[in-house]
Amino acid sequence: DQQVKQNSPSLSVQEGRISILNCDYTNSMFDYFLWYKKYPAEGPTFLISISSIKDKNEDGRFTVFLNKSAKHLSLHIVPSQPGDSAVYFCAARDLNTDKLIFGTGTRLQVFP
Amino acid sequence: EPEVTQTPSHQVTQMGQEVILRCVPISNHLYFYWYRQILGQKVEFLVSFYNNEISEKSEIFDDQFSVERPDGSNFTLKIRSTKLEDSAMYFCASSVGRGRVGTEAFFGQGTRLTVV
Repeated sequence: DQQVKQNSPSLSVQEGRISILNCDYTNSMFDYFLWYKKYPAEGPTFLISISSIKDKNEDGRFTVFLNKSAKHLSLHIVPSQPGDSAVYFCAARDLNTDKLIFGTGTRLQVFP
Repeated sequence: EPEVTQTPSHQVTQMGQEVILRCVPISNHLYFYWYRQILGQKVEFLVSFYNNEISEKSEIFDDQFSVERPDGSNFTLKIRSTKLEDSAMYFCASSVGRGRVGTEAFFGQGTRLTVV
């Protein structure tokens, strides 16, 4: 039951360029979406979130876009930096529950 | 910056033994969670806890699992009789609230449980 899907297991981007990570979801009851970043042997670190009443949220180099009609969200990182290299998880929440549903993650590698 | 802390970082146990994984959530947070990630798989929800009781649990969280907040600061996950398939990274998380305000859950660094 993959309610949250990240179809690209990996992405490689040159330093300074834009990284675009994609996420699709199936449950129309999801009301809140989050991106987490995870380094090896560490827990997920909250990055940025967006409520379903918005279509864009920006925080520094990170911008999340939400297309509710397509049930699609994306995370843009610009400019990408080598320290951004990590696994990025998309997560979604239904307000009627407490739990986050995670995607399978996309491994981003930013090379010089 | 406040953070969620978990101990131990790595726990090795024999199949059938009981383990307790410990977590100290962020102090002003009211909602507590356990998630796990089996190697190579996605992060999965186990249980949420609020107001000293379980508010939601997944199908993974069977009778072998229990959670407790014994002293107002620690939040523990107990597995009564571990199985090989319980081997995973276990993450504790906490949040201020639920809903649009305080929905962001902050995660600890994880405890790697290895059942042999």
